[in-house]
Order: sequence, then structure tokens, then C-alpha cells
Amino acid sequence: GAGVSQSPSNKVTEKGKDVELRCDPISGHTALYWYRQSLGQGLEFLIYFQGNSAPDKSGLPSDRFSAERTGGSVSTLTIQRTQQEDSAVYLCASSPVGPPYEQYFGPGTRLTVT
Amino acid sequence: AQKITQTQPGMFVQEKEAVTLDCTYDTSDPSYGLFWYKQPSSGEMIFLIYQGSYDQQNATEGRYSLNFQKARKSANLVISASQLGDSAMYFCAMSAGFQKLVFGTGTRLLVSP
Repeated sequence: GAGVSQSPSNKVTEKGKDVELRCDPISGHTALYWYRQSLGQGLEFLIYFQGNSAPDKSGLPSDRFSAERTGGSVSTLTIQRTQQEDSAVYLCASSPVGPPYEQYFGPGTRLTVT
Repeated sequence: AQKITQTQPGMFVQEKEAVTLDCTYDTSDPSYGLFWYKQPSSGEMIFLIYQGSYDQQNATEGRYSLNFQKARKSANLVISASQLGDSAMYFCAMSAGFQKLVFGTGTRLLVSP
């Protein structure tokens, strides 16, 4: 079946502009996650959605970052007033119901803030 | 809080040999999961193997096995019969409550002919 998809694959934006990153999870997966990977680094958790529960926003680095998930499926990560330090690859993952809840990742969006 | 430590920034192995990638973890939660992911140069994260904290036996998936030593809080990945296509970054990760993953900094594996 289809995997996790993300768009755009690449985004170049000017400092101070807002950007929206989109994630389409695997059909039937109830949990959706956003991570950020800076150059040569490991993955940093940003936000987690599970069904209709309130999202876990504990990893969002500042109030310029927000995310929503509509209809329990597609998610959008929004970064307002982008800064150069926001440049990274933004990865989305989804996981199925039931253990071990392994996460399947999309190809990522490479964001470059100039 | 959970923490994953991968102390090997880079590892080299010859084709057809076995290699062990180290991972230690720290958590106060009694129930947790340990995962290994592969990230080739193309960038996608590929799920390899999972070990639950209550699993009695070490997990195996094809050429991958996880050497789980709970008392030592280690979860090393063993790749048998290395192939050139195994060259990639490898990340160890853990979750408590089967929610967000906490990742280590990764180990870059290079397989030589």
C-alpha cells in the first residue's frame, strides 16, 4: 500500500515568511508524528497526534510552530516568521493501532530559510 | 526522561562480515520499546527491528538481530553477513508509553567490498 507522503519535498523561503508543510499518513494509522532533523543530527520530536486526543506539543521549539490534523488524517505543520535556524528536514511518521506501534516515516521536507 | 546513547559515530565492516552497532538507553519507565532505523543517503527512515522491554527473547528480523541486555540497559543491533547496501546511518530509538520516539545521534556504517 501507499506509504507516508509529504509535500513539498523541498522548500526554500526567505527569513520572516510563513511556511506550511503537509503530511499524508498511511491509511488506517491513528497516530501521527512530526520530527525535525538538522544536518548530521538525530531526529528531534516536535508534536504527536493520537486519534481525537489532545496533541502532545511538548517538542515544539517555539510558539512560531504549530500543527493541526484534520479529520484524523492529513496534518499540516506551520512555521511562522521563519528563521535561519529553522532550516532542517521535517519528517512525518505514522503508526498503526496496536503494539509495537512502530513508526513509518515519510520522505521528509527539506526546508531552507535564506 | 528517556535518553539514547550511541557512542560509535562511524563503523567500518567488510562485506559478508557481521557488525555490532552499540546502543545504551536510560529510562525510569518499566514499559518501553526499543527500535532501530536505517537512514540511507536518500534520507528516508526505514524501520528495521523492535524489542519490547518485557520480551524474553532477543528480536530477530532476517539479517538483523537485537542483542537486548536489560540489566545493562543496552540494545545493540547486530547485522550478519553485511552487504554493500547496508551502508547507511543507523539510529537507535526508544519510546515509553509507545508514543514519541527519542533518538540517538546515529552511527554511520560503511561496508567495503
